[in-house]
Amino acid sequence: EVQLVDSGGGLVQPGGSLRLSCTASEFTFSSYEMNWVRQAPGKGLEWVAYISSSGDNRYYADSVKGRFTISRDNAKNSLYLQMNSLRAEDTALYYCAREMTGSGFDYWGQGTLVSVSS
Amino acid sequence: QSVLTQPRSLSGSPGQSVTISCTGTRSDIGGYDYVSWYQQHPGKAPKLMIYDVSKRPSGVPDRFSGSKSGNTASLTISGLQAEDEGDYFCCSYAGSYASHWMFGGGTKVTVL
Repeated sequence: EVQLVDSGGGLVQPGGSLRLSCTASEFTFSSYEMNWVRQAPGKGLEWVAYISSSGDNRYYADSVKGRFTISRDNAKNSLYLQMNSLRAEDTALYYCAREMTGSGFDYWGQGTLVSVSS
Repeated sequence: QSVLTQPRSLSGSPGQSVTISCTGTRSDIGGYDYVSWYQQHPGKAPKLMIYDVSKRPSGVPDRFSGSKSGNTASLTISGLQAEDEGDYFCCSYAGSYASHWMFGGGTKVTVL
């Protein structure tokens, strides 16, 4: 069965950095576009970043542009989110999600919690 | 960051139908037939219920249906069951750059 496992979350001070990982299994990872979606405590879902199957195209939400970088290693079946200059408003549960090209997200990781606080 | 507009809460008795609306603009819902809906139970990851406006993934009961008219999409749950209680989020493709995907604020569905 398709599985996405998110990891790398934790408590970080404002201005700090964190790198999230998502490890995929039981599907051909290199054939799929991937995304990061976050959910602040008690709030709704917010799309964060997209990367094409090859990694050539990347898009970001305005709220994270210039601070976050999405990347992937198809040889390791892994997706990453490098988060720099973290702010309190970045506190959220971060999910990786597999995209059905243009149609939506058919599989989600379990989420990894990022808390930004001094 | 703007979001698609959903009612904050809806409720219904078992067996009744509820319809959740999701209003956007012609830059998102109105511009593409790429609306999806997600169900989320407390402490769980979202689950895809509808994609491409009205298609159901394998395993999703046929009491869930989706539609779209202009800039508004809708999810209808017919024959409401206790396990349908949860949060529902709509999502629309919104172009290639800064707003690649847009989510609704979410609707809490309560089964009375």
